[in-house]
Amino acid sequence: EADIYQTPRYLVIGTGKKITLECSQTMGHDKMYWYQQDPGMELHLIHYSYGVNSTEKGDLSSESTVSRIRTEHFPLTLESARPSHTSQYLCASSESGTETQYFGPGTRLLVL
Amino acid sequence: TQLLEQSPQFLSIQEGENLTVYCNSSSVFSSLQWYRQEPGEGPVLLVTVVTGGEVKKLKRLTFQFGDARKDSSLHITAAQPGDTGLYLCAGIGGSQGNLIFGKGTKLSVKP
Repeated sequence: EADIYQTPRYLVIGTGKKITLECSQTMGHDKMYWYQQDPGMELHLIHYSYGVNSTEKGDLSSESTVSRIRTEHFPLTLESARPSHTSQYLCASSESGTETQYFGPGTRLLVL
Repeated sequence: TQLLEQSPQFLSIQEGENLTVYCNSSSVFSSLQWYRQEPGEGPVLLVTVVTGGEVKKLKRLTFQFGDARKDSSLHITAAQPGDTGLYLCAGIGGSQGNLIFGKGTKLSVKP
């Protein structure tokens, strides 16, 4: 069973608010990822990190930002939430040299 | 752009029936993964297939990787309500060599 956690699980927030979605893993994995998933749609990679102080943008453009100050922690921040940001956000991690990704339970974000 | 197309998009069957879902691409993949995602949870890896023509079995689930490594299938024998979920295939691709996912097949098995 994967040890990767996301908080909050659900978030309803008004337009213009700043939000941070938390993601932590206790497996010591170097690689971490953020995906955005809309109902009935595929997962889109929006950010990834190969280690501390490493962050890259994914294939899908996103207004969010991420940081990787500690190996186990990979938070995602939206400075000013908009209704178009409404989606499910999934965090994942993997060990270097492997393709298997372990996913957290996700955060469902609703921006009103 | 590498794409993974999954079919069918939705599948609703009765307990005990067999089913096959497909994952197709025009591109060659070094390997393909199958994940299952239950409502309110993140995807969980079921299997990775790496060799063209490979067949892997996981209890009632049989996974096959096409000879040309462009497609894969998942066959479930005697489906059970616990098999209900979204089945996603994924392969290494994209401009940055990360995992790309198909849209998934949403399976519902009714008792």
